[in-house]
Amino acid sequence: QKEVEQDPGPLSVPEGAIVSLNCTYSNSAFQYFMWYRQYSRKGPELLMYTYSSGNKEDGRFTAQVDKSSKYISLFIRDSQPSDSATYLCAMKGAGSYQLTFGKGTKLSVIP
Amino acid sequence: DAGVTQSPTHLIKTRGQHVTLRCSPISGHKSVSWYQQVLGQGPQFIFQYYEKEERGRGNFPDRFSARQFPNYSSELNVNALLLGDSALYLCASSLGEWTEAFFGQGTRLTVV
Repeated sequence: QKEVEQDPGPLSVPEGAIVSLNCTYSNSAFQYFMWYRQYSRKGPELLMYTYSSGNKEDGRFTAQVDKSSKYISLFIRDSQPSDSATYLCAMKGAGSYQLTFGKGTKLSVIP
Repeated sequence: DAGVTQSPTHLIKTRGQHVTLRCSPISGHKSVSWYQQVLGQGPQFIFQYYEKEERGRGNFPDRFSARQFPNYSSELNVNALLLGDSALYLCASSLGEWTEAFFGQGTRLTVV
């Protein structure tokens, strides 16, 4: 079993839809959780950084962490064609420097 | 402010050759990490340096080495290149040892 599981998709939604992206993990030592957006052939761009269970909102993006279920989510409201990209979840333990990534979910938002 | 800059952006090497990739972190950031991303996969951790000292190494062979310079820039070296080393090599910088990591655009290495 991989430490971080993420459905690679692809996921295709119409413009304006609410998008839900998810990751599960097995390592209970993970304490910090991140979502990155990666456009084709570019480096990952940090979207959200959280370290506690619950929700964190930033504009159209909401990150949700449930440590008891080892499950994290990213919600995108009012999705736009410019949101079309691969979304990577990443996590690390307290005092750790190593990020462990999921495989990424490829999202397409259709105009 | 300039973000993380990596050079070169692309390069093609032959099996058995050596390659050096370079990274300049965000101004004020003292930590640099290196990741390898194979097509269709998430990035895999290779090294982390903080204050010019190696703080972590991922599960990569000894052909991979790195260093960090006094100005906090970093180099990743790969010897005896294999076809399987073809990937996007990403550099990330952090303000501190364990804070958020910001990535550069990557160097796309093709080994033929």
